[in-house]
Amino acid sequence: DAGVIQSPRHEVTEMGQEVTLRCKPISGHNSLFWYRQTMMRGLELLIYFNNNVPIDDSGMPEDRFSAKMPNASFSTLKIQPSEPRDSAVYFCASSFRLGREGMEQFFGPGTRLTVL
Amino acid sequence: AQSVTQLDSHVSVSEGTPVLLRCNYSSSYSPSLFWYVQHPNKGLQLLLKYTSAATLVKGINGFEAEFKKSETSFHLTKPSAHMSDAAEYFCVANPSGGYNKLIFGAGTRLAVHP
Repeated sequence: DAGVIQSPRHEVTEMGQEVTLRCKPISGHNSLFWYRQTMMRGLELLIYFNNNVPIDDSGMPEDRFSAKMPNASFSTLKIQPSEPRDSAVYFCASSFRLGREGMEQFFGPGTRLTVL
Repeated sequence: AQSVTQLDSHVSVSEGTPVLLRCNYSSSYSPSLFWYVQHPNKGLQLLLKYTSAATLVKGINGFEAEFKKSETSFHLTKPSAHMSDAAEYFCVANPSGGYNKLIFGAGTRLAVHP
């Protein structure tokens, strides 16, 4: 298996532009997570999908951020308009949730976003 | 409230000496516990996991961790450090009964000196 795939790996954009980050989870996994990592705040969970349905989006910073999962093999995280404080590494992770048992998450390589 | 505490933000060891990274968790339930490693400019990689089977868990690259319920600890150890072990390590909990939402410790940065 190729693991979790994220694109692009690096993105440099100017303030005010729309940014779209993409994620392909591991085949067969039914849960998908978007995280943001910065030096100041560490790893933050932004949103969590289970069976393509958003379950918890309490970590989404503000309305400029939106996430979709149109099918089991694809998710996007969009920032519109982007701001310099959005600069961070964004990780996508996937896992297989079975009943009440927690399972490990598998992380993608991340997208390093720089907003000028 | 459920939480994960990594007791050291930085640990420095010499190559060939033992590694000990400490982690305590706070949970109303018996959680699943994990250690992840993150090398510079890389994603997080699972080192090992505890899911209520054997309390001593062996992972990749010679790492192991012991779950001690009485101490609510899940410390990570390795008998002999290698230069390639230099990275950031995260202790992570998945509380039983909750959604698949992970609780991350703040991380411990391991430096390995020649």
